[in-house]
Amino acid sequence: GENVEQHPSTLSVQEGDSAVIKCTYSDSASNYFPWYKQELGKRPQLIIDIRSNVGEKKDQRIAVTLNKTAKHFSLHITETQPEDSAVYFCAAGGSGTYKYIFGTGTRLKVLA
Amino acid sequence: GAVVSQHPSWVICKSGTSVKIECRSLDFQATTMFWYRQFPKQSLMLMATSNEGSKATYEQGVEKDKFLINHASLTLSTLTVTSAHPEDSSFYICSAILAQRELGETQYFGPGTRLLVL
Repeated sequence: GENVEQHPSTLSVQEGDSAVIKCTYSDSASNYFPWYKQELGKRPQLIIDIRSNVGEKKDQRIAVTLNKTAKHFSLHITETQPEDSAVYFCAAGGSGTYKYIFGTGTRLKVLA
Repeated sequence: GAVVSQHPSWVICKSGTSVKIECRSLDFQATTMFWYRQFPKQSLMLMATSNEGSKATYEQGVEKDKFLINHASLTLSTLTVTSAHPEDSSFYICSAILAQRELGETQYFGPGTRLLVL
């Protein structure tokens, strides 16, 4: 069935450094790729998304890239801050339904 | 962004009882809502797709007779955990789809309901 792999599962970076999280999806019909940030005990919050008709999207310190041929997409956070510490989930969706398949999550820790 | 609410935010119940969780889209209509379950330190696992005016679509391995879903209106979906057992203890999160002509469809999550079955 459909599958989304996410790496790494944990990531520690020094404040100010960049963080990169990568996802790979299996369903070639997927055309929408959101990223969510989830703090402990709270709901996932959409932080950025990309659709298959673009290869890159940026919003301040956050950027997402998409390689449809390779079925890869990545989240890039620059100039990381302690408040960026959370669990980040990628997802793939839009293959004829609204259903999303989520990655397994990356626990990001930004060290002050 | 759009607002999705859930009620209750947490519930503790005895084994064998049923628990109802409500999910509401507050400022938009949602023909499609989703129910997820999240165990500690794990990802969100889709349980079912809730469709207004029709039966829910359950994911493989999810018992439809145990997790009853009713999408009574364009702003309300309910999940009832029937005869709850300790292994049903989890964080239940709903989401609703907001469809916008120029932006496409975006999924917004409720705040979640933490269920503890004793």
